[in-house]
Amino acid sequence: EVQLVESGGGLVQPGRSLKLSCAASGFTFSDYAMAWVRQAPKKGLEWVATIIYDGSSTYYRDSVKGRFTISRDNAKSTLYLQMDSLRSEDTATYYCARHSTPFDYWGQGVMVTVSS
Amino acid sequence: DIQMTQSPASLSASLGETVTIECLASEDIYSNLAWYQQKPGKSPQLLIYYANSLNDGVPSRFSGSGSGTQYSLKINSLQSEDVSIYFCQQNYDSPFTFGSGTKLEIK
Repeated sequence: EVQLVESGGGLVQPGRSLKLSCAASGFTFSDYAMAWVRQAPKKGLEWVATIIYDGSSTYYRDSVKGRFTISRDNAKSTLYLQMDSLRSEDTATYYCARHSTPFDYWGQGVMVTVSS
Repeated sequence: DIQMTQSPASLSASLGETVTIECLASEDIYSNLAWYQQKPGKSPQLLIYYANSLNDGVPSRFSGSGSGTQYSLKINSLQSEDVSIYFCQQNYDSPFTFGSGTKLEIK
């Protein structure tokens, strides 16, 4: 059974940093691209970033380029999202998803709140 | 960026009815279109991919159709467990954009 379990969320002040993790199991992690998708409270879904299977290429939405870094450790079957210079508009539930074109498996999500 | 215009924003129907949700892309996405179901308080679940392929385990009362810029999701014989928000999403080009969602309720 495919499982994706996010961790690392919480309350953080504007301008500070936070790192999310996503532990994957039930499939060969190193065979798949992975992504982060977020959902602001009571809002729609917004793709954030994707990393290909071996980590050699990454893709970001414009609003997070230069502030967020997606990475992976295939030996640990874990996906990461380093979020720097956080803004209030980054407040959302962040989902880890397997990016098998489409997003075919999702984690339960982790809440990130950016507020002073 | 490819814009995804989804309609209606909300929908109320009776048990057993058939409902249709539409999604319009701002340019041709060559059937790279997925539909997701998000139940209250849960993460999204994949229903349909490549416009008309049913994901494993999804009931056959769900179906997808369309091509080019116009796509639709049809739900036959509406069940109480279908109460959800439904999103379309294009996988043709980055950024991978979603529709704004359709909230489906039972009358």
